[in-house]
Amino acid sequence: ETGVTQTPRHLVMGMTNKKSLKCEQHLGHNAMYWYKQSAKKPLELMFVYNFKEQTENNSVPSRFSPECPNSSHLFLHLHTLQPEDSALYLCASSQAGEGGHEQFFGPGTRLTVL
Amino acid sequence: QQQVKQSPQSLIVQKGGISIINCAYENTAFDYFPWYQQFPGKGPALLIAIRPDVSEKKEGRFTISFNKSAKQFSLHIMDSQPGDSATYFCAASITGNQFYFGTGTSLTVIP
Repeated sequence: ETGVTQTPRHLVMGMTNKKSLKCEQHLGHNAMYWYKQSAKKPLELMFVYNFKEQTENNSVPSRFSPECPNSSHLFLHLHTLQPEDSALYLCASSQAGEGGHEQFFGPGTRLTVL
Repeated sequence: QQQVKQSPQSLIVQKGGISIINCAYENTAFDYFPWYQQFPGKGPALLIAIRPDVSEKKEGRFTISFNKSAKQFSLHIMDSQPGDSATYFCAASITGNQFYFGTGTSLTVIP
């Protein structure tokens, strides 16, 4: 877990606010991911960045906007969120490619939208 | 459509007992099947993983059984301990580039 850090750990925001989540990986990986974790649901993959290029967005609403300035940093910009967006947002990284490599997760940001 | 189905949703086991969690998948292109363990306030962490060319993998008290023809795999925790109490997720991926997770199983081991 210490290889992937996320800030902030907790965030409460109103529906009209703009905030950003930050993720940093210290593992030298080439792929980073944003997941949404809601109670009693599978982890939902939101975005994938492979070699800093976005390869998947899985039809995520435009109120979520990712940014990957380099292979170690990943941001999730939030604006005009809805209460149903309240969840744990997890960042992960991996060395993507043939063979199926482990994803390392950060501790997550617990987001509450009022 | 949910790619990986996991059961049970919750499980209570006595200390020393065997915990068994099951997963099923449909896509035969999956080639990597990890299990993740998540404690409250932490992100998921890889526990053990298997590829479809073997039927079983054991690491300490944790064993994955894999049935390719049935498209099922399961996690067995032998001699379960209170410290094993956590949420467990199965997952499947194709070449490690995109992972599909189960809904999770909350395990409670009673002392």
